[in-house]
Amino acid sequence: DIQMTQSPSSVCASVGDRVTITCRASQGISSWLAWYQQKPGKAPKLLIYAASNLQSGVPSRFSGYGSGTDFTLTISSLQPEDIATYYCQRGNSFPPGLTFGGGTKVEIK
Amino acid sequence: EVQLVESGGGLVQPGGSLRLSCAASGFTFTRYWMSWVRQAPGKGLEWVANIKQDGSEKYYVDSVKGRFTASRDNAKNSLYLQMNSLRVEDTAVYYCARIYDVWGGYYRDYWGQGTLVTVSS
Repeated sequence: DIQMTQSPSSVCASVGDRVTITCRASQGISSWLAWYQQKPGKAPKLLIYAASNLQSGVPSRFSGYGSGTDFTLTISSLQPEDIATYYCQRGNSFPPGLTFGGGTKVEIK
Repeated sequence: EVQLVESGGGLVQPGGSLRLSCAASGFTFTRYWMSWVRQAPGKGLEWVANIKQDGSEKYYVDSVKGRFTASRDNAKNSLYLQMNSLRVEDTAVYYCARIYDVWGGYYRDYWGQGTLVTVSS
């Protein structure tokens, strides 16, 4: 099975900072990658699909990049409402499963 | 408006059974694969089961194979997860999610609010 590895596991930044999270696939997945945001006590929310496409209603400060095995999620100017855990998920080789990365917790300094 | 509403969670003893339900509305249920995803306390997301539009194909994560069964009733726009031989490690919030396919990729674009399953004696 293709493994998804995220780094760092947590990041602490100030409001207005640029924050970048990385996701690496154990083998190439083209651009079939999604990013989800999960706020405490809430269900995950799809932010980005196909590596770089913003889901409807997602603020433009979020962006995704990458293909093959290496992907990034960038928050251009961190806002207090962005405090959450972010997960990547591969979107290829389906079925059987669509596996997630381990998550990156974003906190405010 | 797309809505997914889970129910059926609760406290159950190890070895017991529970049936989760997910009521879908606001979209054509028969057009989509559906998914169950769980999250143990303080842990990350883990896919549990995926079921095809007509229920003819079902896939499970290894840890639940032979114990969990996903099903759907398209006439009732409902998704189910029958969980048998429950273990302490099955304790988690269980989410149902719609699988959206675009440009050859598959993503979970709508999620329910989740239902908590606690397995404990």
